[in-house]
Amino acid sequence: DGGITQSPKYLFRKEGQNVTLSCEQNLNHDAMYWYRQDPGQGLRLIYYSQIVNDFQKGDIAEGYSVSREKKESFPLTVTSAQKNPTAFYLCASSSSTGGYGYTFGSGTRLTVV
Amino acid sequence: RKEVEQDPGPFNVPEGATVAFNCTYSNSASQSFFWYRQDCRKEPKLLMSVYSSGNEDGRFTAQLNRASQYISLLIRDSKLSDSATYLCVVNNPGGSYIPTFGRGTSLIVHP
Repeated sequence: DGGITQSPKYLFRKEGQNVTLSCEQNLNHDAMYWYRQDPGQGLRLIYYSQIVNDFQKGDIAEGYSVSREKKESFPLTVTSAQKNPTAFYLCASSSSTGGYGYTFGSGTRLTVV
Repeated sequence: RKEVEQDPGPFNVPEGATVAFNCTYSNSASQSFFWYRQDCRKEPKLLMSVYSSGNEDGRFTAQLNRASQYISLLIRDSKLSDSATYLCVVNNPGGSYIPTFGRGTSLIVHP
């Protein structure tokens, strides 16, 4: 079955560490997105990519980095520069125009310990 | 003005009730509209797309009013399982088609 897979489901980070969240899709979607959701809040866009080897900053890119070396994969690195990384991270993908909606992975819950 | 606005609720209704949510958007050039459902601590899932002519899927009806720039979701005969947060999503053209999400409306259906 086609879908989008995020791993791990839960992640714990020590202060000063970089961590990488995985996002893989087999939907043949051109566009991929990373969102952050805090408790009781909406989704905030971190980065997006509409084509391989190209990506753009979203509204809250500071402290995060991404790569898009393959169409299927869009990993997100939460760097030590992100001062408040504890949140629910969601990866999504869509066609280039998003006309059929957006498919989400099941999310990664990151906690700083 | 926020790009996409929703009443956060919660809307607290008894089983069997009819409930409606609205969502306003600011970009008159917006082209695609969707309603998503998000359960607690889960990912959002597409509930239905919203077409200019309106569309219905069982107990759910979605409508678009371009003149007033809002979309609506009507749920008839509410079930306990309808309890969730409903997110409005607007897709703006202009070279990027990046979706903008509302903050969601919380629905609680009680016995």
